[in-house]
Amino acid sequence: AQTVTQSQPEMSVQEAETVTLSCTYDTSESNYYLFWYKQPPSRQMILVIRQEAYKQQNATENRFSVNFQKAAKSFSLKISDSQLGDTAMYFCACDSNSGYALNFGKGTSLLVTP
Amino acid sequence: DTAVSQTPKYLVTQMGNDKSIKCEQNLGHDTMYWYKQDSKKFLKIMFSYNNKELIINETVPNRFSPKSPDKAHLNLHINSLELGDSAVYFCASSQANTHSGNTIYFGEGSWLTVV
Repeated sequence: AQTVTQSQPEMSVQEAETVTLSCTYDTSESNYYLFWYKQPPSRQMILVIRQEAYKQQNATENRFSVNFQKAAKSFSLKISDSQLGDTAMYFCACDSNSGYALNFGKGTSLLVTP
Repeated sequence: DTAVSQTPKYLVTQMGNDKSIKCEQNLGHDTMYWYKQDSKKFLKIMFSYNNKELIINETVPNRFSPKSPDKAHLNLHINSLELGDSAVYFCASSQANTHSGNTIYFGEGSWLTVV
């Protein structure tokens, strides 16, 4: 069965600091995509960043970047210069074997403090 | 305009009732999904449809029945509601399948409370 594991249920970081959220996954596919979604208190699911497994270069989106280690099946999210608005649940996801769903991890609740 | 819209946003109902949640997307996508987020915030796929055809049907009770009248709509009907059905239900859509790296866009969620 395909699984996505986020080992940190909760994390906190001070404003302007950097934080890294961990994610490991398991898939039998040779090519696949990985995603990080953010869910603020409003509950809206917002795409943060995505990575294609065939691309060796780590994806970046402004203050958000990933450390993708394909052999280790690791896909961590780094948030630089953390802002109060980054406070949210962060979900790591991998596209499923069928290609018609994303499998999500259990999420990491991130609190950014002043 | 909201890309993926679902109604109602909040629903409080008694056990045993039947209720529906409607979903529409105006992104021109051909794949739509229903996800359930439980009280621990775990997101689990329930159903996915591609061009009105059921692709994924996870181990969901038969009381849950999705209906896709066209590829822009995917409604969820729930019969004989139980306390354990209380959750946030997310509708979502994507262009084709996720193997192509297509992003799944989510609606704002429908918070169902069964009392």
